[in-house]
Amino acid sequence: EVQLVESGGGLVQPGGSLRLSCAASGFTFSDHYMDWVRQAPGKGLEWVGRTRNKANSYTTEYAASVKGRFTISRDDSKNSLYLQMNSLKTEDTAVYYCARGLNSGPDLLPAFDIWGQGTMVTVSS
Amino acid sequence: SYELTQPPSVSVSPGQTARITCSGDALPKQYAYWYQQKPGQAPVLVIYKDSERPSGIPERFSGSSSGTTVTLTISGVQAEDEADYYCQSADSSGTPFIVFGTGTKVTVL
Repeated sequence: EVQLVESGGGLVQPGGSLRLSCAASGFTFSDHYMDWVRQAPGKGLEWVGRTRNKANSYTTEYAASVKGRFTISRDDSKNSLYLQMNSLKTEDTAVYYCARGLNSGPDLLPAFDIWGQGTMVTVSS
Repeated sequence: SYELTQPPSVSVSPGQTARITCSGDALPKQYAYWYQQKPGQAPVLVIYKDSERPSGIPERFSGSSSGTTVTLTISGVQAEDEADYYCQSADSSGTPFIVFGTGTKVTVL
């Protein structure tokens, strides 16, 4: 079964740090771009960032709202994706989803066909 | 920054057709994607590349594109289709930034 399972969420004070993990199974993890998407309580979806695959040099992109504070990494040997979050703000409070980049034949599309169940991050004093 | 605009809500009776629009200046140059999200659940991809349907998605879901507007159509709406729907595309400014629409709540009367 194709699956993504996030972990590492919790309560953290403003200015603090947290590291999220996403464990992938049931597919060739190294073939795919992987992204993080978040959703604040009662709000819409917001893209956080992405890491490309080895064939594309593991390059990363970030939303302007998190650039310089968040870092995405991956370990293909462990089929795992990570999100290191530093200098957290109250507005970072959200459910964080990891999502698999959509491959359509040879095309690596900017969309997501598999999502994890999400992990809640609460930034509050 | 790039924005995708959707109506906040759409109401439809069972068996009728629901149409959800998504407008954005870059849509003529970038594909659109649609996700369904039910309360407490992760989003599910229902349409990709404007009008393609992933395996396992019912045929009543379809997508179309015209100029700066894309449309998700749900034909013969069922009670289980009640959910939030988000369009999504990529910023066409040369960077691969991902943008989500504002979201539409579909209510089945």
